[in-house]
Amino acid sequence: GAVVSQHPSRVICKSGTSVKIECRSLDFQATTMFWYRQFPKQSLMLMATSNEGSKATYEQGVEKDKFLINHASLTLSTLTVTSAHPEDSSFYICSASAGTEAFFGQGTRLTVV
Amino acid sequence: GESVGLHLPTLSVQEGDNSIINCAYSNSASDYFIWYKQESGKGPQFIIDIRSNMDKRQGQRVTVLLNKTVKHLSLQIAATQPGDSAVYFCAEIAMNRDDKIIFGKGTRLHILP
Repeated sequence: GAVVSQHPSRVICKSGTSVKIECRSLDFQATTMFWYRQFPKQSLMLMATSNEGSKATYEQGVEKDKFLINHASLTLSTLTVTSAHPEDSSFYICSASAGTEAFFGQGTRLTVV
Repeated sequence: GESVGLHLPTLSVQEGDNSIINCAYSNSASDYFIWYKQESGKGPQFIIDIRSNMDKRQGQRVTVLLNKTVKHLSLQIAATQPGDSAVYFCAEIAMNRDDKIIFGKGTRLHILP
């Protein structure tokens, strides 16, 4: 099946710094990528939908200036958590869409100290 | 907006028994449904899907049932194995609208030895 690579798998950063998470579709072109956030023992919450070459569409309550999404090519989308704070600590997962199927990255565990 | 997940309910099943995981979806316009399995620290894995023109679909040891009248989805796992222990999420998609994957709250399945 299709492979989506998400990097890094774990990151610890200091409060106030920015962190970039990459999501790559390795063997297919993904016109749409989705970014999710998952709190411990909870479901995945959609943060934003990213279309190649255009601005991301953010879900209600998600700060677009805080969570910068760039989808510069058909195989790469990035999520940058700007000026991270401890409450941004979470598990972030990307998903790349190929037609009717969606493939998930392995997730990034972000810890802000 | 997206539903915020509560703490995940847990279903404990004896190894070898059958398990049924239930899910209520929210959008009557959703026409494509997927069950995902998520192991600790990993991204969701596709298990089985069903379109709204069907009410039942079978895979290997898994069956998905869809009741559109009450907006209910279930996942049946036959002859459970230790490797089935995971969190299971249903997801709904409104094709031809925005293709966003909206996840249900999730259920933790615990297989007892």
